[in-house]
Order: sequence, then C-alpha cells, then structure tokens
Amino acid sequence: AQSVTQPDIHITVSEGASLELRCNYSYGATPYLFWYVQSPGQGLQLLLKYFSGDTLVQGIKGFEAEFKRSQSSFNLRKPSVHWSDAAEYFCAVGDTGRRALTFGSGTRLQVQP
Amino acid sequence: EPEVTQTPSHQVTQMGQEVILRCVPISNHLYFYWYRQILGQKVEFLVSFYNNEISEKSEIFDDQFSVERPDGSNFTLKIRSTKLEDSAMYFCASTGTANSPLHFGNGTRLTVT
Repeated sequence: AQSVTQPDIHITVSEGASLELRCNYSYGATPYLFWYVQSPGQGLQLLLKYFSGDTLVQGIKGFEAEFKRSQSSFNLRKPSVHWSDAAEYFCAVGDTGRRALTFGSGTRLQVQP
Repeated sequence: EPEVTQTPSHQVTQMGQEVILRCVPISNHLYFYWYRQILGQKVEFLVSFYNNEISEKSEIFDDQFSVERPDGSNFTLKIRSTKLEDSAMYFCASTGTANSPLHFGNGTRLTVT
C-alpha cells in the first residue's frame, strides 16, 4: 500500500528565508508525486507535480521540488519565503491505474515578519 | 482559469438526516472525485467516478454514501443518514485525463450535530 510521510507538522520561518518541506513516500512503482497548498478556508491548489523526466520540477509561486528515488523523497523548496506563503502544504502520491491520491498529513507553515 | 465549484460552503445538519453535497467540475473534465478531511487530519480519498460509474472507492465509502452525476454539469455526494463522525470538509475534484493532476474545489464544511 502506498503511504506518504511529512515528518514536520509545523514549521516557522522568517520572511525572506529559504524553505524546505520534507516528504517521503512508500510506493511499489514509479509514483506520481504532487504538492498541494491549502490556505485557510480554501481548497487545495496544485503547486507542482512529478510524473517522469527531469527530477527537479518547477511549480507556481516560485516553488520547486526534487524527486530522489534513492531516498523515496520529494521535498519542496523555495529560496525566499513571502508572508503570503503561510498555509498548509500537502504532499500526495498516486499512479495512473489508481487515480486515488494518498495524502500526507500536511505541514503547517508559519512565516514571521 | 476554470474552477471546480462546490455548494454550499458550509452545511449544518442533524444526525440521521440526509445531506447532498454539490459540485460542478470543470466542464471538459471526465474524471470526478470526492475526498474528505476531518478537522486536523489528512485528506482522505472517498470515491472516483468515470463514465457514469464508480471506478474506485475507499473503505470509508460505505452504503451510507452515494454519488451521482444527474446531468452534464453536476456531481453530487449523498450521505443517507449522517453520523457525528461524518463532520468534515468534503472536497470535490476533477481531471481531464488519467495523467493530469486533480483540480480541487474549495470544499464544503459539513457539521453534523
């Protein structure tokens, strides 16, 4: 069974600092990997996805993520965080056969001025 | 950009009552999903729907739940007899192809009293 672990429940960074949110997955084949962001009271917005090819993927709002098969990881990064990035971030894994995504438990990001 | 829209944004119902959550997926999408998020917990897959039938469902999606696409635009989730533990945020999602990422709506917060 596939699973996703986001080890950090809550992270606080200063505005302008760099950010890395961790995601580890367990999956039998090559996974489809996603990062979604959820602002308070809002739905889930796709930040970026990895299906195949280049292991460093660029997303919206200046985010990027790197797929590392050897570490079963898909960490999300941003070089300089803005106050508007404060939200909850979810990593998810899926495949083409089963379109049901498995989500991690989320990381809540707080940005200090 | 086209969106998935969900109504109502918040629904309060009494235990034992039937509730219908409504979704309008993106117009040219073919695959439809319901997920739920109990407060403070991870987003969980409920059901996927394609070609007018359920293609996959989780163990959460028991006989109390049903989905329907009553016309060309709406996609509904019905809970026949609500329980307290059904209180959650329910997200509808859609996608155009199997390999495309899911587009989520803003969710319906269901409160069962």
